[in-house]
Amino acid sequence: GNSVTQMEGPVTLSEEAFLTINCTYTATGYPSLFWYVQYPGEGLQLLLKATKADDKGSNKGFEATYRKETTSFHLEKGSVQVSDSAVYFCALRRVDFGNEKLTFGTGTRLTIIP
Amino acid sequence: DAGVIQSPRHEVTEMGQEVTLRCKPISGHDYLFWYRQTMMRGLELLIYFNNNVPIDDSGMPEDRFSAKMPNASFSTLKIQPSEPRDSAVYFCASSIQGFSYNEQFFGPGTRLTVL
Repeated sequence: GNSVTQMEGPVTLSEEAFLTINCTYTATGYPSLFWYVQYPGEGLQLLLKATKADDKGSNKGFEATYRKETTSFHLEKGSVQVSDSAVYFCALRRVDFGNEKLTFGTGTRLTIIP
Repeated sequence: DAGVIQSPRHEVTEMGQEVTLRCKPISGHDYLFWYRQTMMRGLELLIYFNNNVPIDDSGMPEDRFSAKMPNASFSTLKIQPSEPRDSAVYFCASSIQGFSYNEQFFGPGTRLTVL
């Protein structure tokens, strides 16, 4: 079946540090891959996505590249800010007709210290 | 656009009581999802609907849980009777069919506490 494995948290960094949150997946076929972010007290919101191998998703300074050979979709940001403190979820969607289910990882809590 | 609307935002009830959570999806969206989030189990998909019809309810934990979608703009998740282990944040999300990268839009969640 489909599964997503995320880096265990929590992760604590100083402001302006480099961020990497690892994500690997198991899926049949060629899934679409996503990163969602959950700020305190809110629902999840889409941060970025990639739909095929070698695609790079980017948004708000965050990037992730769909690596089929390593089945990975690691999230990176060059210089984090306090406002980036949140929980980050990696997710995949298998591309089948009528399949709208997302499979989420367990989430990684990120705290940025000023 | 108002986004996905959930009510109530917080619910505190006693064990054995019936609890009803409500969701209004984004207008025009034809998929609706109910998730549960806990520290122990993370984010779990409970059930999802397409055009008001339940498609996959394999995540519904047991018969105490039921969900309905009487029309395109309203869905309920009911727990009867409630138990302390049902305490969690329940999210509703909606999306529109079409492309593999379509985003799910989440509501703010309902924090349920069962005493």
